[in-house]
Amino acid sequence: KAGVTQTPRYLIKTRGQQVTLSCSPISGHRSVSWYQQTPGQGLQFLFEYFSETQRNKGNFPGRFSGRQFSNSRSEMNVSTLELGDSALYLCASSLNAGELFFGEGSRLTVL
Amino acid sequence: AQSVAQPEDQVNVAEGNPLTVKCTYSVSGNPYLFWYVQYPNRGLQFLLKYITGDNLVKGSYGFEAEFNKSQTSFHLKKPSALVSDSALYFCAVLNTGGGNKLTFGTGTQLKVEL
Repeated sequence: KAGVTQTPRYLIKTRGQQVTLSCSPISGHRSVSWYQQTPGQGLQFLFEYFSETQRNKGNFPGRFSGRQFSNSRSEMNVSTLELGDSALYLCASSLNAGELFFGEGSRLTVL
Repeated sequence: AQSVAQPEDQVNVAEGNPLTVKCTYSVSGNPYLFWYVQYPNRGLQFLLKYITGDNLVKGSYGFEAEFNKSQTSFHLKKPSALVSDSALYFCAVLNTGGGNKLTFGTGTQLKVEL
């Protein structure tokens, strides 16, 4: 069974640009969550989608948004990038509550 | 609000010795607790969970965790450490209200030396 796939793995953007990250969950998993990981703040929950609906939301500004498609694939978007948005963005899919299967992440560098 | 704390940034242990990575929790109601491991430049991997039942939970790669309600702790343990266990370990709690929102601890770097 294929794992969670995130694309792109690495990307570099400049301040003010926007970025879209993609996540393909494990087949059959309808829950997809996104986390931001930084050395200073650790792992921070962004949002969770289930059957195309946002089920949970973290404490991030409105520049961070996401969506989920009917095939459970998910995207997250960050607009008007700031230097502080540099991070590893992790996507995870789940079948059972709390048991998350993570992708390898998308490492975003904002210059 | 639910939270977990990992009091040690780093734990060093010799290969073959037992290891313990500490975690305490603050939860209203019954806690759903988890341990995850992260290897360098990789995503997190689920190790084990405590939902209810036995206080000693067994997980992947020979790891186990002991739930202690009176001490509000959920320490990760392994009887005999391997060099390959060296990684970053996260304790997490599932938020109430449904869904999969996990609150993670700050992580503990485990270093197992020969």
